[in-house]
Amino acid sequence: NAGVMQNPRHLVRRRGQEARLRCSPMKGHSHVYWYRQLPEEGLKFMVYLQKENIIDESGMPKERFSAEFPKEGPSILRIQQVVRGDSAAYFCASSPLQRSTDTQYFGPGTRLTVL
Amino acid sequence: SQQGEEDPQALSIQEGENATMNCSYKTSINNLQWYRQNSGRGLVHLILIRSNEREKHSGRLRVTLDTSKKSSSLLITASRAADTASYFCQYAGGTSYGKLTFGQGTILTVHP
Repeated sequence: NAGVMQNPRHLVRRRGQEARLRCSPMKGHSHVYWYRQLPEEGLKFMVYLQKENIIDESGMPKERFSAEFPKEGPSILRIQQVVRGDSAAYFCASSPLQRSTDTQYFGPGTRLTVL
Repeated sequence: SQQGEEDPQALSIQEGENATMNCSYKTSINNLQWYRQNSGRGLVHLILIRSNEREKHSGRLRVTLDTSKKSSSLLITASRAADTASYFCQYAGGTSYGKLTFGQGTILTVHP
């Protein structure tokens, strides 16, 4: 059973471009979470999704950031018009059950560098 | 901020010694989990302790939870150089969709 997969592992964008980060949860997992880790800091929750639904996006910046988890295919975290401050590692996690009661399994992360 | 606090922020020990990391939180929780993150890598789940548990073991790991003090500790016994990593606690709040929060992490360095 493959673990959580994220791609790309490294992404370089220039200011103003768009960044798309993909996350394929573990097989059988219908709950996906995105976290951001700034350099030298801990992880910050961004958004929690189930298939076709955003359950909690309280950690998402109000502008430029969006996330989706379609019925088919991976979850996508999209950052429009990237700025240097968006440079960070973005981790995706999945779980089979609701988040407050179950272990999350993390992907390897996508390291976004904005030039 | 509701973010948990971990201490120490950094810990440097010799192989064979024990390492203790602490995590404090501010809300009521359903469970608390500890993760390890090797430099530049993703997180690996270590252990989950539920709010009605006080202590849990897994190999060389021992986790305690004191809900009255809103704190947890992770003890790694007989440390190895391979234990060098950052360690994070994560906890879930009291509702089904309660906030998930990570501590700031403890950077552990184990010298051979």
